[in-house]
Amino acid sequence: EAGVVQSPRYKIIEKKQPVAFWCNPISGHNTLYWYLQNLGQGPELLIRYENEEAVDDSQLPKDRFSAERLKGVDSTLKIQPAELGDSAVYLCASSLAGAYTGELFFGEGSRLTVL
Amino acid sequence: GQNIDQPTEMTATEGAIVQINCTYQTSGFNGLFWYQQHAGEAPTFLSYNVLDGLEEKGRFSSFLSRSKGYSYLLLKELQMKDSASYLCAVRDYGGATNKLIFGTGTLLAVQP
Repeated sequence: EAGVVQSPRYKIIEKKQPVAFWCNPISGHNTLYWYLQNLGQGPELLIRYENEEAVDDSQLPKDRFSAERLKGVDSTLKIQPAELGDSAVYLCASSLAGAYTGELFFGEGSRLTVL
Repeated sequence: GQNIDQPTEMTATEGAIVQINCTYQTSGFNGLFWYQQHAGEAPTFLSYNVLDGLEEKGRFSSFLSRSKGYSYLLLKELQMKDSASYLCAVRDYGGATNKLIFGTGTLLAVQP
């Protein structure tokens, strides 16, 4: 079974440029998350989807960040314009509602460097 | 408020036993997870505790005390490949499904 797939793995851009990250969750997982992870820190939740609905986006900086999950499957996270402080790893994860542990399955992440 | 504390770094010797502690204060509690994360890789699930007590899975065990807001991850017979960051995460009440809050992680270095 395929895991959570993210692309691109690495992205280098100059500040003020836009960038987008794509995530394909595990088949059948209705909950999808975007986390941000800075070096030496734990993941921080940006947004959580239940199917196509964003149920928790309180930590998403909405002035520059946006996300969508059309048809309740794949998701895209966009930053426009990017700032130097946005350099981090953006992790996508998915989980199955109703499962006993309900653990999150993470993708390998998209590492963003803003110059 | 929400707060999860764990040591920043630990060092242990190959073949030994190490215990990584985690204390938490959250507005709600619906389970505690431990994840392992090797450098440059995705976090992977290790263990889950929702009731008090010890859960054992091979060389890894995890303990939970809800009244104390405390958990630990015990790694036995350490191997070099166990060198990684170990993340403690608490599932908070925030609706019908998961809202995981992560600690900053404990970087474990296993030495020969």
